[in-house]
Amino acid sequence: DAKTTQPTSMDCAEGRAANLPCNHSTISGNEYVYWYRQIHSQGPQYIIHGLKNNETNEMASLIITEDRKSSTLILPHATLRDTAVYYCIVRGRRALTFGSGTRLQVQP
Amino acid sequence: GAVVSQHPSRVICKSGTSVKIECRSLDFQATTMFWYRQFPKQSLMLMATSNEGSKATYEQGVEKDKFLINHASLTLSTLTVTSAHPEDSSFYICSASFLAGGMTDTQYFGPGTRLTVL
Repeated sequence: DAKTTQPTSMDCAEGRAANLPCNHSTISGNEYVYWYRQIHSQGPQYIIHGLKNNETNEMASLIITEDRKSSTLILPHATLRDTAVYYCIVRGRRALTFGSGTRLQVQP
Repeated sequence: GAVVSQHPSRVICKSGTSVKIECRSLDFQATTMFWYRQFPKQSLMLMATSNEGSKATYEQGVEKDKFLINHASLTLSTLTVTSAHPEDSSFYICSASFLAGGMTDTQYFGPGTRLTVL
């Protein structure tokens, strides 16, 4: 599975949009981009995934560049409960492989 | 939908004893279940992958005789840590997936089990 690069940490003001970037320049054609988050001492929570097209659900939006080498997860109105570690994972046929993720701190 | 439960949520045991952790998919039939381990301030590490009715596939460096995995049904997998030692103390997390409409199978995670070996 392709490797991903994410910033170690980010801050965001409560009520503002949180934009979390992810680079996956070695992604191959049949690999999906998945986003999960982990709040302290809990299991990871599925957020969204996509292949080529932008995706939106009740939690977030996923913007994938046309060349698929990077993507951005957007939380449109961050709340304090969105403080967590966010993992961007490129996945083919194997199980999810977790990197270090981005620690998002939402500030009041 | 797609809820995965784990039991127990935390367990403390003496060194040398065995501990069993259950993972259940509550509202779907899981074609595959996965077991991960997470040490403090580290990311999740995949331990093994199992399909119902067949032997688990262990990741390199994970002792299959120490971490016994049974996947007896499409909704239940168990992880038994045999002869546990303090270095096995960790956060154990299971996940389950199913194929939906031909799309790639999304993994849904349980809440985790905190194991402390004294």
